[in-house]
Amino acid sequence: EDKVVQSPLSLVVHEGDTVTLNCSYEVTNFRSLLWYKQEKKAPTFLFMLTSSGIEKKSGRLSSILDKKELFSILNITATQTGDSAVYLCAVAPTSGSRLTFGEGTQLTVNP
Amino acid sequence: DVKVTQSSRYLVKRTGEKVFLECVQDMDHENMFWYRQDPGLGLRLIYFSYDVKMKEKGDIPEGYSVSREKKERFSLILESASTNQTSMYLCASSLLFGRETQYFGPGTRLLVL
Repeated sequence: EDKVVQSPLSLVVHEGDTVTLNCSYEVTNFRSLLWYKQEKKAPTFLFMLTSSGIEKKSGRLSSILDKKELFSILNITATQTGDSAVYLCAVAPTSGSRLTFGEGTQLTVNP
Repeated sequence: DVKVTQSSRYLVKRTGEKVFLECVQDMDHENMFWYRQDPGLGLRLIYFSYDVKMKEKGDIPEGYSVSREKKERFSLILESASTNQTSMYLCASSLLFGRETQYFGPGTRLLVL
């Protein structure tokens, strides 16, 4: 059974801090790992990672995958209150279209 | 932009009622999914569909059924709602092969009394 574990489950920081969110996984026939951001509504897509060691970056957010150690990290630098959200990690196998999601990390950024 | 809409943002129903949740996507996606999201449990897949009239059980299908009569529309049905089905329900869609990015609707928060 595929499994995704995120840590920490919740995190409270001050504006300007840098945070690192972790996602480890066990999946049969891994194809990709995805990060989503969920505010008080629909999860929105952030990144998809398929290759080890290649950083994906979007503004203050970046992510990298380690397929040997089976984990990914999501970094957010110079956090802002608008970064407050649940960050979801999901993995996709090579066959089929299903994703397996982790529990999510609730990030709260205080002014 | 992909748009996924859900028929209701909030619903309150009574135990034993039949409940319909509808989801519509406008990007001609083959795959559609229904999840429920609960604190401490993350997103759990209820059912998904990869084509009209096709459906497959997810991880927690008990107590639910689905219908996909048109490509753009995927309905989740609670035949007889129970209090343990109080949850946030999220619909998503994606392309069929090799395109695992899923696009989500805004969610329906269902309260069963």
